[in-house]
Amino acid sequence: NAGVTQTPKFQVLKTGQSMTLQCAQDMNHEYMSWYRQDPGMGLRLIHYSVGAGITDQGEVPNGYNVSRSTTEDFPLRLLSAAPSQTSVYFCASSVPGQGTEAFFGQGTRLTVV
Amino acid sequence: KQEVTQIPAALSVPEGENLVLNCSFTDSAIYNLQWFRQDPGKGLTSLLLIQSSQREQTSGRLNASLDKSSGRSTLYIAASQPGDSATYLCAENTNAGKSTFGDGTTLTVKP
Repeated sequence: NAGVTQTPKFQVLKTGQSMTLQCAQDMNHEYMSWYRQDPGMGLRLIHYSVGAGITDQGEVPNGYNVSRSTTEDFPLRLLSAAPSQTSVYFCASSVPGQGTEAFFGQGTRLTVV
Repeated sequence: KQEVTQIPAALSVPEGENLVLNCSFTDSAIYNLQWFRQDPGKGLTSLLLIQSSQREQTSGRLNASLDKSSGRSTLYIAASQPGDSATYLCAENTNAGKSTFGDGTTLTVKP
């Protein structure tokens, strides 16, 4: 079972460059979300989606864009990378229901120099 | 705004001890709460999920409790082993698929 797949695993960008972090899930989950994790901290929500065509901002959305054209994919775009965006990025998916857990990808480690 | 706090930030114990990790949350209308384990440089591994209607969940040597009235959850680890060394994160999940995480407790179990 693939679960939640994130690509790439590692990336180095120069300040001002743009890139897209990919996230795909094969569990037909309605909900998908992006988080960032900085050293010594928990995860903070960037953007989330409750279904194809629907997205909304989380706690730290500035500098990031998302779209959800299919149920399976939820890419995160960095428009103009800044050193403050150096972090580990996690994608998650889940379905509605109190008994359902959130599934996380293995993360993308991004360094902006 | 939902907030999740984990205390202590770090914990070091000798092998074999039973230990408790704490998680506090501010949202009394919690949907469910999930405990994760994270090894250095790795992703999140789900350990236990407690629905808002439940009081506790158990998996092997792990037991997680939920007290909505006090806004607290605890993760109990019995007979700790060096392989339990990791960072433990708790997350409050909403019914819209969003999670609010604590900053984690880093556990070291010494042989």
